[in-house]
Amino acid sequence: DAGITQSPRHKVTETGTPVTLRCHQTENHRYMYWYRQDPGHGLRLIHYSYGVKDTDKGEVSDGYSVSRSKTEDFLLTLESATSSQTSVYFCAISESEAGALEQYFGPGTRLTVT
Amino acid sequence: GIQVEQSPPDLILQEGANSTLRCNFSDSVNNLQWFHQNPWGQLINLFYIPSGTKQNGRLSATTVATERYSLLYISSSQTTDSGVYFCAVTGGTSYGKLTFGQGTILTVHP
Repeated sequence: DAGITQSPRHKVTETGTPVTLRCHQTENHRYMYWYRQDPGHGLRLIHYSYGVKDTDKGEVSDGYSVSRSKTEDFLLTLESATSSQTSVYFCAISESEAGALEQYFGPGTRLTVT
Repeated sequence: GIQVEQSPPDLILQEGANSTLRCNFSDSVNNLQWFHQNPWGQLINLFYIPSGTKQNGRLSATTVATERYSLLYISSSQTTDSGVYFCAVTGGTSYGKLTFGQGTILTVHP
C-alpha cells in the first residue's frame, strides 16, 4: 500500500469556520491531488500540486485553497466552510505529470458542515 | 473535458457468477485506472491499463484505446467483491488529473 495518511479522518464543523485537512505521504511522489466524493458525482478534482509551492486548480476549486511547503505534505483549506462542502475528501499521489503512472489514494476524510 | 461513462450502473450477482463492467471514454487517454471502493470507503487500485490486457487473479481488464473503451472482468465472484467499481482516465492534456466515471455498484449475494 502507498504510504498516504489523511488527518483528521472525521470532522464536524459549523458553517463559517475555517477547516484544514492534511495529506501526508512517505513515498516522495512529486504530484499530489485533492478530490471530493459526493453522491451522484463520483470523485472530482479540487486542486493539485506538481511540486513544492506549485499548485493549480481542478474542476471544483471554488471555496478551497491549498498549500504545499514540503514534498510530503499537501494541505486543503476551506476558508469559511459551507454546507455544500459536506463531503468525503480524498488525497492522491502520483509520480508523473503526464499521468502515465498510477495514482494512489489515501483513506479519505469525512467532513460534515452543520 | 473528457467524458467517462460506466455501465451498468448497478449489478447484482450470486456468488460464483462472472461479470463484465464497461467504461467508455470520449477522447484519447494516457492513463486509465480501475478502482474498487469497498464498503468502508477505501479506494483500492485494481489496474493501471491505458491499453492492452492485464490479469490479476480472478480479475482481468482490457483497454482498446483506439475504440475508447475498457472492460473489467470479474470471474467466480465472491461476496468480498461487493462495492463500487470506478473507471478513471486522464486525457491527453490533463496533466495527470483523473476524471472518474459514475461507478458500477456491484452486490454479490452468498
